[in-house]
Amino acid sequence: DAGVTQSPTHLIKTRGQQVTLRCSPKSGHDTVSWYQQALGQGPQFIFQYYEEEERQRGNFPDRFSGHQYPNYSSELNVNALLLGDSALYLCASSLLDRSGNTIYFGEGSWLTVV
Amino acid sequence: KNEVEQSPQNLTAQEGEFITINCSYSVGISALHWLQQHPGGGIVSLFMLSSGKKKHGRLIATINIQEKHSSLHITASHPRDSAVYICAVSPSLRSTGNQFYFGTGTSLTVIP
Repeated sequence: DAGVTQSPTHLIKTRGQQVTLRCSPKSGHDTVSWYQQALGQGPQFIFQYYEEEERQRGNFPDRFSGHQYPNYSSELNVNALLLGDSALYLCASSLLDRSGNTIYFGEGSWLTVV
Repeated sequence: KNEVEQSPQNLTAQEGEFITINCSYSVGISALHWLQQHPGGGIVSLFMLSSGKKKHGRLIATINIQEKHSSLHITASHPRDSAVYICAVSPSLRSTGNQFYFGTGTSLTVIP
């Protein structure tokens, strides 16, 4: 049973460009959350998708957008990249209606903006 | 102020030492998680706690709901325990879905 898979694992983009990161949740999970982790910091919540809709959003600008597909896989899109967007982007999956359920993380996508 | 605070930020121990990492939080929670993150970036869930104490091998996690505090203990530490340990909480409000608040992590290095 595959866990959470993310792609790409590493990428380098130029300031002003756009990037799309992808995530496939653990089998049986219906909820995908995205986090940004800057170097030396804990993950910061970007947004969460459930039933193909953004259910909740953290304190991130509209340049950060997402999508969830019927098969529960998800994308994170970042437009007009800034140098400060360089970070590890983590995807996590879980089941929404089970309080306190274990969360599963992907290995992350390392984004470097130059 | 962060919803989750961890201490210490960095910890170096000799192999075999007993290690304690602390976590305090300021929100009502449905569960608290201890996570392990290795240098490659991937995060592994070690424990999920809503009360009391859990043990898995050399790892022990405790939580005091009244004091809003949790500790992660590692007995007989080993170099392979070297990683970043992150405390995360699931807020108790159902409207928040399963958003987590994360601590900044404790970077542990165990020296042979």
